[in-house]
Amino acid sequence: EVQLVESGGGLVQPGGSLRLSCAASGFTFSGYWMNWVRQAPGKGLEWVASINEDGNEKYYVDSVKGRFTISTDNAKDSLSLQMNSLRVEDTAVYYCARGSPSSDINCYFNYWGQGTLVTVSS
Amino acid sequence: DIQMTQSPSSLSASVGDRVTITCQASQDISNCLNWYQQKPGKAPKLLIYDASNLETGVPSRFSGSGSGTDFTFTISSLQPEDTATYYCQQYDDLPPLTFGGGTKVEI
Repeated sequence: EVQLVESGGGLVQPGGSLRLSCAASGFTFSGYWMNWVRQAPGKGLEWVASINEDGNEKYYVDSVKGRFTISTDNAKDSLSLQMNSLRVEDTAVYYCARGSPSSDINCYFNYWGQGTLVTVSS
Repeated sequence: DIQMTQSPSSLSASVGDRVTITCQASQDISNCLNWYQQKPGKAPKLLIYDASNLETGVPSRFSGSGSGTDFTFTISSLQPEDTATYYCQQYDDLPPLTFGGGTKVEI
């Protein structure tokens, strides 16, 4: 059974940093695109970042470029999102989501974690 | 970036009704479109991929159609458990992968 479990969310002040983690199990982690998708309170879904199996392809939504860094640890089957220079508008539930097989383009998100809440506020 | 426009933003229907949601892309995306269901307080769930393919385990009352810029998502006979928000998502032009604004379906 595929499982994705996020951790690391919490309250942080504007300008601060936070590192989210996602522990994966039930599938060959290195064989898939991995993603972060967020949802601000009461709002819709927003794709944040994607990474391929060996980490040589990383993509970000414009609003987080230069502030967020996505990474994987294939030895630990783990996905991370380092978030720096956080802004109030980054407040959201952050979901870890498995994408397409790495041999394909990153098309869909077919497994999701339960999400972790990040609140940026003074 | 490709913009995805969903309509309506919300709807109310009765059990057994046929429900249709549309998603329009700002440019041709071929069939590079997925549909998700999100129930309150839960993570989204993939229902339809590549515009018309039903994800494994998803009930057959859900269907999708369309190509190019205009897409349709249909629930053939609305059930109480279908109360949720539904999102379309394109992957033709990435990054970014973009979602529609969502359609809240109530019974």
